[in-house]
Amino acid sequence: EPEVTQTPSHQVTQMGQEVILRCVPISNHLYFYWYRQILGQKVEFLVSFYNNEISEKSEIFDDQFSVERPDGSNFTLKIRSTKLEDSAMYFCASSGEIWDTQYFGPGTRLTVL
Amino acid sequence: KNEVEQSPQNLTAQEGEFITINCSYSVGISALHWLQQHPGGGIVSLFMLSSGKKKHGRLIATINIQEKHSSLHITASHPRDSAVYICAVRLIKAAGNKLTFGGGTRVLVKP
Repeated sequence: EPEVTQTPSHQVTQMGQEVILRCVPISNHLYFYWYRQILGQKVEFLVSFYNNEISEKSEIFDDQFSVERPDGSNFTLKIRSTKLEDSAMYFCASSGEIWDTQYFGPGTRLTVL
Repeated sequence: KNEVEQSPQNLTAQEGEFITINCSYSVGISALHWLQQHPGGGIVSLFMLSSGKKKHGRLIATINIQEKHSSLHITASHPRDSAVYICAVRLIKAAGNKLTFGGGTRVLVKP
């Protein structure tokens, strides 16, 4: 069964460093999402992406964040200058149509020291 | 105010028991999702509902749009059902397909 994959599974970085989290959505899906979950808290929406454009973003998704689909398979989330409060589990998701079920990747645990 | 509330926050059951998890929301929605999060953190989509009832194996999800309420039932619970169950909604006012999440219900099924 097709699945969303994410790499790395765990990333440790120093405050102020740039990180890129990578996702490979399900191959025929068109809609892509990033969510995050700070330890012990709810999952929160960050951004949705369609047709090489951001279609919606939350107030969390400030200028430190960017997303890109650099080729036909990868979908990346870049955090330009990481802060301690960026430590969280980051989930990528994809869906075939806008109103379809979203399929989640296994997550990347980001630890900012 | 939280737009999506789940109850209970924690639930412990004996193997074989019937489990019910509740989700209430305060705003207009176009769909409601039930998700399962395993101890390792991964999230699996269980159901997407906009009306009525859906069943998959031992899992049943129902939604009452008028009452702004959904339930997830687990019949004949098993220790492998131990996980966090999360309700998430797609708000009518949302431009796209972003989901707004509840806080989750942590379920522990003891053998």
